[in-house]
Amino acid sequence: ETGVTQTPRHLVMGMTNKKSLKCEQHLGHNAMYWYKQSAKKPLELMFVYSLEERVENNSVPSRFSPECPNSSHLFLHLHTLQPEDSALYLCASSHLTGPDTQYFGPGTRLTVL
Amino acid sequence: AQSVAQPEDQVNVAEGNPLTVKCTYSVSGNPYLFWYVQYPNRGLQFLLKYITGDNLVKGSYGFEAEFNKSQTSFHLKKPSALVSDSALYFCAVRDTGSGGGADGLTFGKGTHLIIQP
Repeated sequence: ETGVTQTPRHLVMGMTNKKSLKCEQHLGHNAMYWYKQSAKKPLELMFVYSLEERVENNSVPSRFSPECPNSSHLFLHLHTLQPEDSALYLCASSHLTGPDTQYFGPGTRLTVL
Repeated sequence: AQSVAQPEDQVNVAEGNPLTVKCTYSVSGNPYLFWYVQYPNRGLQFLLKYITGDNLVKGSYGFEAEFNKSQTSFHLKKPSALVSDSALYFCAVRDTGSGGGADGLTFGKGTHLIIQP
């Protein structure tokens, strides 16, 4: 798991807070992803960045705002979340070409009070 | 559109016995197929993938998976289960016809594998 790191590992926030999740990959990849894992639901793809440009946004509410300043770093800015946003947020990275494997970080466990 | 089905929420196997975790998929083109494992409070860990060629794919920790195009299945198998194999297993698919560049994977809902001593 040292290839993709995520901080913090746990986060508790109120609905009016602003916080950010950070992801860093050390694998030389050029694509990065945010997934949401909720209890009893399949993993949901939220955002895809390819060469630091967003290429996919699966109808994610605007209270989630991604940022990819370079190919190694990915952020998810959180603002006025709802309790139903409580979940495990997973970051992944891969090469762009072919069927390249996505490698995942350990996730951030988010609880919204 | 692409989709994955894992029909079993939980699979129970006695230690030392063979195990199978089922996965079926649907894609419009040809599939890239993946298996991941997740231990408690951890991220997803890559086990193996099918791209093309040999239908039997070997992966980490003694796991293997068999691609069956006619049945659109990609079941995960291991000849002899260990207690330490107990975890949550995810099957995932990507359609090769989905275009170039980065694409997210479509995951199944996961199967809890419980290996009993």
